[in-house]
Amino acid sequence: DSGVTQTPKHLITATGQRVTLRCSPRSGDLSVYWYQQSLDQGLQFLIQYYNGEERAKGNILERFSAQQFPDLHSELNLSSLELGDSALYFCASSLGAAGYNEQFFGPGTRLTVL
Amino acid sequence: AQTVTQSQPEMSVQEAETVTLSCTYDTSESDYYLFWYKQPPSRQMILVIRQEAYKQQNATENRFSVNFQKAAKSFSLKISDSQLGDAAMYFCAYGWGAGSYQLTFGKGTKLSVIP
Repeated sequence: DSGVTQTPKHLITATGQRVTLRCSPRSGDLSVYWYQQSLDQGLQFLIQYYNGEERAKGNILERFSAQQFPDLHSELNLSSLELGDSALYFCASSLGAAGYNEQFFGPGTRLTVL
Repeated sequence: AQTVTQSQPEMSVQEAETVTLSCTYDTSESDYYLFWYKQPPSRQMILVIRQEAYKQQNATENRFSVNFQKAAKSFSLKISDSQLGDAAMYFCAYGWGAGSYQLTFGKGTKLSVIP
């Protein structure tokens, strides 16, 4: 158990819908990362927040957005869902934002878009 | 852009034997981090080993060790005395960024351990 929690574990929805994935980082961790794991694209970095502020953006679609709240939990919002958005979405957290801070991964949320 | 390449989609090893997984990367940076993550069937991402690019000494963690060749941009993982529990997907990852160490992952190598 990494100490990072993600809810829900599984999510099944239809095309065009909007969903919210939630992540609670390890106690004391200030940085949260979101990654997408799909069969065709592999593991890709989406976005990072550090202490409530957006720090870096990767291959995140405009239909996707995220935020980190004052209690440091984070939410990833996916809208106008398409079949290709079906994937495993991981949240990771680290104490800081530097490379020597290990990223601890949550168990992931499996999203299925029908 | 940084890229990470794992040229072996699948590998197998006999239990108790040694196996080496390959990884190459492309970067113009001099200070970065390299990682090997394990993803068992449970899908949990588990950090196996980490290497700082500025350190010449190869990292080791029990049965896991790396061969880091900075000039060649190569970062292989050696698993000694392979165990059934080592069977998993292994991902090589590169981390760099001023204030943000998002990881760039390779496509992964599926390791099977034969009893």
